[in-house]
Amino acid sequence: DQQVKQNSPSLSVQEGRISILNCDYTNSMFDYFLWYKKYPAEGPTFLISISSIKDKNEDGRFTVFLNKSAKHLSLHIVPSQPGDSAVYFCAAIKGGSQGNLIFGKGTKLSVKP
Amino acid sequence: KAGVTQTPRYLIKTRGQQVTLSCSPISGHRSVSWYQQTPGQGLQFLFEYFSETQRNKGNFPGRFSGRQFSNSRSEMNVSTLELGDSALYLCASSSGGLRYEQYFGPGTRLTVT
Repeated sequence: DQQVKQNSPSLSVQEGRISILNCDYTNSMFDYFLWYKKYPAEGPTFLISISSIKDKNEDGRFTVFLNKSAKHLSLHIVPSQPGDSAVYFCAAIKGGSQGNLIFGKGTKLSVKP
Repeated sequence: KAGVTQTPRYLIKTRGQQVTLSCSPISGHRSVSWYQQTPGQGLQFLFEYFSETQRNKGNFPGRFSGRQFSNSRSEMNVSTLELGDSALYLCASSSGGLRYEQYFGPGTRLTVT
């Protein structure tokens, strides 16, 4: 039973345009959400996070939106750059849970010059 | 600040053998989590240690074990290796406080033949 779902295995975007990566979750006990980027042969790199008490968090070109009623979050990258090409993972964790990040299966983003 | 380091980076073992992987967290981080990444299952939580105590454990057989030392360095051990244990094993560290961000190492690629 997948508690965190990334339904798009891949996404292709033109350089300079917006990339929107989506993530759905089923467990209403999750209260913290994170996005990671992963290049081949490297560990995931933390990008941005959001607490369930917020609906938006912004860090430079990256913005995460959270819609709790829909159990949906999205990561916006504006403007997209070729170096953003990687696999993006959405993760969630329950409050008080020790270390147990629940990951989606990832979305491979390709940004074309 | 130095990142999370994992050794070795690559390992080839034979079915039935055992293996020990090592992880050094970011300085000052007291929580270390371990994950297994496979193409089919994605990133799955193995266990988490904080101040030398296992606080949380994922749904893996008892062949998978770990420990943490007083300097926060951690090891994980897999006994009686099976072909299905071939995976990328990732270690992540965090401060263990109210923020849930985890920072990953590059991983150890284990191949079981």
